[in-house]
Amino acid sequence: QKEVEQDPGPLSVPEGAIVSLNCTYSNSAFQYFMWYRQYSRKGPELLMYTYSSGNKEDGRFTAQVDKSSKYISLFIRDSQPSDSATYLCAMIRTGRRALTFGSGTRLQVQP
Amino acid sequence: DAGVIQSPRHEVTEMGQEVTLRCKPISGHNSLFWYRQTMMRGLELLIYFNNNVPIDDSGMPEDRFSAKMPNASFSTLKIQPSEPRDSAVYFCASAGPTVGETQYFGPGTRLLVL
Repeated sequence: QKEVEQDPGPLSVPEGAIVSLNCTYSNSAFQYFMWYRQYSRKGPELLMYTYSSGNKEDGRFTAQVDKSSKYISLFIRDSQPSDSATYLCAMIRTGRRALTFGSGTRLQVQP
Repeated sequence: DAGVIQSPRHEVTEMGQEVTLRCKPISGHNSLFWYRQTMMRGLELLIYFNNNVPIDDSGMPEDRFSAKMPNASFSTLKIQPSEPRDSAVYFCASAGPTVGETQYFGPGTRLLVL
């Protein structure tokens, strides 16, 4: 079983929809939680960053971390065709620097 | 800043050949990471350096892979001899000194071993 599980999709939504992306993890040592966005044939770019449990909002994006359930989410409001990409959750465990990634969810926002 | 720079962007080689991938981290960053992305396994860490010293190489597949960081502005990942199963996108990322600092990724090197 992978340490970080993420539904690969693809997820197709109409423009303007609210998108919910999720990851679960098994190792309670994870302390830092990120969401990266990766466009086709590009490197991942950081979208959201949360330390420990709680919510964080940045424009149309909201990240939630529930450590008690080992569950993290990314919500995208008023989705746009430019949001079409693969979204990767990533985590860092205590005492390490390396990122552990989910498999990524491919999102397609239809105009 | 130019961001993380990787070269070459694409590499096609034949099985058995030596492949060298190069990375220039963001100036001032003292942590450098090599990741590999495949359809089957996703993004996985190969090795990371802190202050030019390899700290965690637990992800390096086998002795055919080696990585060096001779100075703060340059790193190489070498595969010798290459095999078709090494075909993947190889990413370099760099970060500042604090645990949990954002890692900035380069554009990747797309490697195809025939």
